[in-house]
Amino acid sequence: QKEVEQNSGPLSVPEGAIASLNCTYSDRVSQSFFWYRQYSGKSPELIMSIYSNGDKEDGRFTAQLNKASQYVSLLIRDSQPSDSATYLCAVAPNSGYALNFGKGTSLLVTP
Amino acid sequence: DAGVIQSPRHEVTEMGQEVTLRCKPISGHNSLFWYRQTMMRGLELLIYFNNNVPIDDSGMPEDRFSAKMPNASFSTLKIQPSEPRDSAVYFCASRSGGAADSPLHFGNGTRLTVT
Repeated sequence: QKEVEQNSGPLSVPEGAIASLNCTYSDRVSQSFFWYRQYSGKSPELIMSIYSNGDKEDGRFTAQLNKASQYVSLLIRDSQPSDSATYLCAVAPNSGYALNFGKGTSLLVTP
Repeated sequence: DAGVIQSPRHEVTEMGQEVTLRCKPISGHNSLFWYRQTMMRGLELLIYFNNNVPIDDSGMPEDRFSAKMPNASFSTLKIQPSEPRDSAVYFCASRSGGAADSPLHFGNGTRLTVT
């Protein structure tokens, strides 16, 4: 069983703070890593992808990958109430394979 | 770009009835995925197709579930007979080829309720 684990939350942070979302995976051959955001009653939408160890920044979002520790994280700087959603971590062994999703972490940004 | 189109958006049916969910992927995308989402189990892969050919159906719960992709622009997921435990949101998603940075595009989902 290829596991992708996330803390279900809810993670509550005040507006303007940094939200840190974490994910661990069990399949060592995993090569592609993604973060999706899902608002209540909506479909998942891609936020970030990362393939190499280290950090990748896109606006207020930073994805971090550590393949040795089998760990991937998402940082959201200057959190806004509109960031309140469930964040899904997804892992694939390589680009041609289906994504294996974690159950998601619920984030609540309070004004 | 109309995105991935799923129908119906909502389906309520009685136990034992046949249910057919439909999906039209984004034009030009050659990979199609069916996922099921519940609170308990999260987003689970049921089956996926590459170039209309089923590649991995190991996530299909049991023989009551079947999926087809007769052409590049249409796929169905059928449940016969349906059971209350099949109640979930079913998502179809598509992707263009095996490009490493090609994102998965999800449809709006079908919320299935089996009573």
